[in-house]
Amino acid sequence: AQSVTQLGSHVSVSEGALVLLRCNYSSSVPPYLFWYVQYPNQGLQLLLKYTTGATLVKGINGFEAEFKKSETSFHLTKPSAHMSDAAEYFCAVLHATGRRALTFGSGTRLQVQP
Amino acid sequence: DAGITQSPRHKVTETGTPVTLRCHQTENHRYMYWYRQDPGHGLRLIHYSYGVKDTDKGEVSDGYSVSRSKTEDFLLTLESATSSQTSVYFCAIIPGTGGGEAFFGQGTRLTVV
Repeated sequence: AQSVTQLGSHVSVSEGALVLLRCNYSSSVPPYLFWYVQYPNQGLQLLLKYTTGATLVKGINGFEAEFKKSETSFHLTKPSAHMSDAAEYFCAVLHATGRRALTFGSGTRLQVQP
Repeated sequence: DAGITQSPRHKVTETGTPVTLRCHQTENHRYMYWYRQDPGHGLRLIHYSYGVKDTDKGEVSDGYSVSRSKTEDFLLTLESATSSQTSVYFCAIIPGTGGGEAFFGQGTRLTVV
């Protein structure tokens, strides 16, 4: 069974500081990996995804993530936080075989301090 | 925008009553999903569908049933609502092409009192 672990349910950074949100996954086959963002009282929006190819993927709003197979990680980073980045972030893995469904991590709430 | 509409957007119901949530899509995607979102748990899969009349259970399916009689509609029914089913429910689709990206509805906030 596939699973996703997000370390840190809450992360607080200062505006302009590096954002690092951690995600580790378990999967018996090469996974498809995703980061989604949820702003208050809204649905989920895709930030970025890794399917195949280049392991460093860039997404919207200056975010990027690197797939590291040896570490089973897909951490999300942004060089300089902005106040508008405050939201909840979810890492997810797609079952590539069998049940075609996303498994989500428990989420990380990002606060950005002025 | 994948054309996903959830209804109702908000509902308050009493314990023991049946409740049906509707998810409607306009683009004939085969795969549709129901998730619930609770603090500390992220999104958890309740049921999903891979075609008309083809459905299967997710990880938190107890107390829920689904139906899909038309491609565009996926219904989630709480047979007898309990307070533990107070949650935000999201419908999602995953298109057949596009690398597995899911598109979500705006959510339904359900409160069981």
